Amino acid sequence: AQKITQTQPGMFVQEKEAVTLDCTYDTSDPSYGLFWYKQPSSGEMIFLIYQGSYDQQNATEGRYSLNFQKARKSANLVISASQLGDSAMYFCAMRQGNKLVFGAGTILRVKS
Amino acid sequence: AAGVIQSPRHLIKEKRETATLKCYPIPRHDTVYWYQQGPGQDPQFLISFYEKMQSDKGSIPDRFSAQQFSDYHSELNMSSLELGDSALYFCASRSTGGRADYGYTFGSGTRLTVV
Repeated sequence: AQKITQTQPGMFVQEKEAVTLDCTYDTSDPSYGLFWYKQPSSGEMIFLIYQGSYDQQNATEGRYSLNFQKARKSANLVISASQLGDSAMYFCAMRQGNKLVFGAGTILRVKS
Repeated sequence: AAGVIQSPRHLIKEKRETATLKCYPIPRHDTVYWYQQGPGQDPQFLISFYEKMQSDKGSIPDRFSAQQFSDYHSELNMSSLELGDSALYFCASRSTGGRADYGYTFGSGTRLTVV
């Protein structure tokens, strides 16, 4: 079975600094997709970034980038120039069949 | 752009009551997913529908049922509610055409509180 592991229950980062949120995965499928979602305290699930297993380059979306290391089975999210509004829960997810399977999440707190 | 619409946003029910949650997917999205997220938990997959047929089933209790209608909206019916059913329930939709992995869009969720 596929599995997503997020080992950091919580992280702090100073405003304007960069932060890396860890995600490792386990799958035997050669084709897979990895996602990061942000969940603020209001509860909605906001899509941030996607990386396909065959994508040659690391995905980037504005201040978000994905440090994809296929051999290590890791897909870490890097947030550059953190803002107070980045404080939220962050989930890493993987496509399993047609559905998404989520990691346990990391709570990020941005300090001013 | 249209998003996934869920209603109601909040729902308070008593134990043993029933609840119906509704989801309106993005137009032309052919797949709908339901997730349950307990307090401090990650979202857990319940059930999905592709073109109005059940396509996958996860950890959905027998007390729950779901269906997708001809207009593609979906409803999650929950009976004999228990305190442990208190959670945030998400609906997501996706178009399986085109780029296969992309495009899971979540609604804002329905927060169910069972008292």
